[in-house]
Amino acid sequence: QLQLQESGPGLVKPSETLSLTCTVSGGSISSSSYYWGWIRQPPGKGLEWIGSIYYSGSTYYNPSLKSRVTISVDTSKNQFSLKLSSVTAADTAVYYCAREGGQTVTIKDAFDIWGQGTMVTVSS
Amino acid sequence: SSELTQDPAVSVALGQTVRITCQGDSLRSYYASWYQQKPGQAPVLVIYGKNNRPSGIPDRFSGSSSGNTASLTITGAQAEDEADYYCNSRDSSGNQVFGGGTKLTVL
Repeated sequence: QLQLQESGPGLVKPSETLSLTCTVSGGSISSSSYYWGWIRQPPGKGLEWIGSIYYSGSTYYNPSLKSRVTISVDTSKNQFSLKLSSVTAADTAVYYCAREGGQTVTIKDAFDIWGQGTMVTVSS
Repeated sequence: SSELTQDPAVSVALGQTVRITCQGDSLRSYYASWYQQKPGQAPVLVIYGKNNRPSGIPDRFSGSSSGNTASLTITGAQAEDEADYYCNSRDSSGNQVFGGGTKLTVL
């Protein structure tokens, strides 16, 4: 059964770069049928899509975050990663990684498998 | 601001039917997906596509769409259905977007 697990520092200083990794187990990140996405949720607020990546490295990002976001993939480790630069307190959130259905599967466009989430606090 | 609009809160009596809606112009072109999120837990996909349920989701959950509005219907709401519900689709540029969420209370 496919599982996703986020990892990375729980505390980041303002103006620094937030870095998280999502490890995929029980299946291959190199499937041609799926994208792999990052979604975040500030405390007490709703979900915000950050961006997604295909195993080939093709990405698309939330326009409101695009200037600060980089998502990359390492197929040899079955992982994909998020970097968010110049963070502020507004970036404090639970960060989730999730599998996103591609155009060739019935769950296209939906996020069907999620990691448990990791809380990241931006504070000095 | 979200391009998908949801009512912040909805309530339903135990065993009754409730509809949670999601409005947005892009819903004329894309289906909505629906997620259930309970406190301290990751979201769970409950409806995707025209009206499809992932394995393990009870059949009391169903989805529909008309014009710029997508709906999630729970027929015979149970106490365990009390949760936040989020719709998700694409915006006019094809980017992913989530609605603001609806808190469902089962009375």
